[in-house]
Amino acid sequence: QKEVEQDPGPLSVPEGAIVSLNCTYSNSAFQYFMWYRQYSRKGPELLMYTYSSGNKEDGRFTAQVDKSSKYISLFIRDSQPSDSATYLCVHWTGGSEKLVFGKGTKLTVNP
Amino acid sequence: DGGITQSPKYLFRKEGQNVTLSCEQNLNHDAMYWYRQDPGQGLRLIYYSQIVNDFQKGDIAEGYSVSREKKESFPLTVTSAQKNPTAFYLCASCGQDNEKLFFGSGTQLSVL
Repeated sequence: QKEVEQDPGPLSVPEGAIVSLNCTYSNSAFQYFMWYRQYSRKGPELLMYTYSSGNKEDGRFTAQVDKSSKYISLFIRDSQPSDSATYLCVHWTGGSEKLVFGKGTKLTVNP
Repeated sequence: DGGITQSPKYLFRKEGQNVTLSCEQNLNHDAMYWYRQDPGQGLRLIYYSQIVNDFQKGDIAEGYSVSREKKESFPLTVTSAQKNPTAFYLCASCGQDNEKLFFGSGTQLSVL
């Protein structure tokens, strides 16, 4: 069964902290990995996207994929109050298959 | 500006009533999706459409219906058969890159 496990939190950190958000998956066919950010009562927006193992960096955000352990992470450096949101990890096998969403981790960054 | 517009933002349903949620996009995307989000739950796929005049059931289609008469529009009807309709409903679309979903701002449906 295609599943994505994500620690729901909530996670509360002080401003400037390094945040680590984690996700595991069970379907080894997953090829693509995304992180979406969702502010309260808004639609999710794509934050990071990767299809390979290793790290992908974009500003303060780093997405890390370890396919051998089926583990993905999102790191946020120098966290800001504006980073307070729910972060959804998403996996996809590609083609016409549907995206599989984790339940999300709620993050609060306190000023 | 290009994007996806959902309306209304808040909707209330009475017992036995059908209600329709609107979703319009001007991104020229072929594929459109409806998701349901409950507190503490991941997004669950209700229906999706890859092309005009065609749509498929998702994981939780019972009690819902859709139509796709125009590329820009993908309305969702929550029927009286849906016994637990209270949720946050999200419409999304994507173009050639199937993994890059663009979401609307959502509709919160509640039962009176």
